[in-house]
Amino acid sequence: EVQLQESGPGLVKPSQSLSLTCSVTGYSITSNYWGWIRKFPGNKMEWMGYISYSGSTSYNPSLKSRISITRDTSKNQFFLQLNSVTTEDTATYYCARLPGADYFDYWGQGVMVTVSS
Amino acid sequence: DIQMTQSPSLLSASVGDRVTLSCKASQSIYNSLAWYQQKLGEAPKLLIYDANSLQTGIPSRFSGSGSGTDYTLTISSLQPEDVATYFCQKYYSGYTFGAGTKLELK
Repeated sequence: EVQLQESGPGLVKPSQSLSLTCSVTGYSITSNYWGWIRKFPGNKMEWMGYISYSGSTSYNPSLKSRISITRDTSKNQFFLQLNSVTTEDTATYYCARLPGADYFDYWGQGVMVTVSS
Repeated sequence: DIQMTQSPSLLSASVGDRVTLSCKASQSIYNSLAWYQQKLGEAPKLLIYDANSLQTGIPSRFSGSGSGTDYTLTISSLQPEDVATYFCQKYYSGYTFGAGTKLELK
């Protein structure tokens, strides 16, 4: 069974970078697409971006200048880096699989990240 | 940008009721729509994709319908374990989620 697990710091200071890891078991990240989604306080959900089976990436235009998604295929992990964070980046961050650059069929449990000084 | 509007934002229903949730797009999304269920403290779970295809393992009381701009998630007979927030998500021309419908028991 495909399982995803997010990890990373729960507290980040404003202007710093947010870095998260998604560890995948039961499936290779060299197949399909692997994305990041966040859920803000108040329930709004936002797609952030994905990395494909080939390593190509696609990002939400609203984040394009601040976001980077990379991967380590030897560890079957992919990563999120979001630069210059503000308090508005406080959210629960999820990683998920997209079978074909469309919907999200497997999700991690999520990690709550607070941006605060 | 295509906006997604879900209604109602809160729905109270009784066990056994037929429940209908709505998701409207600001322009046609050509059936590129998924529905998710999220229970408190859990990850979202995919219920429906391509507007009307039931994800493997999801009970048959869940169904999706619609086309163009208007889509519906139906629970044919509400069960206590269906209490959750339900989100729609379009994947035509980018990815956007609706604001969610919170479903509670009356």
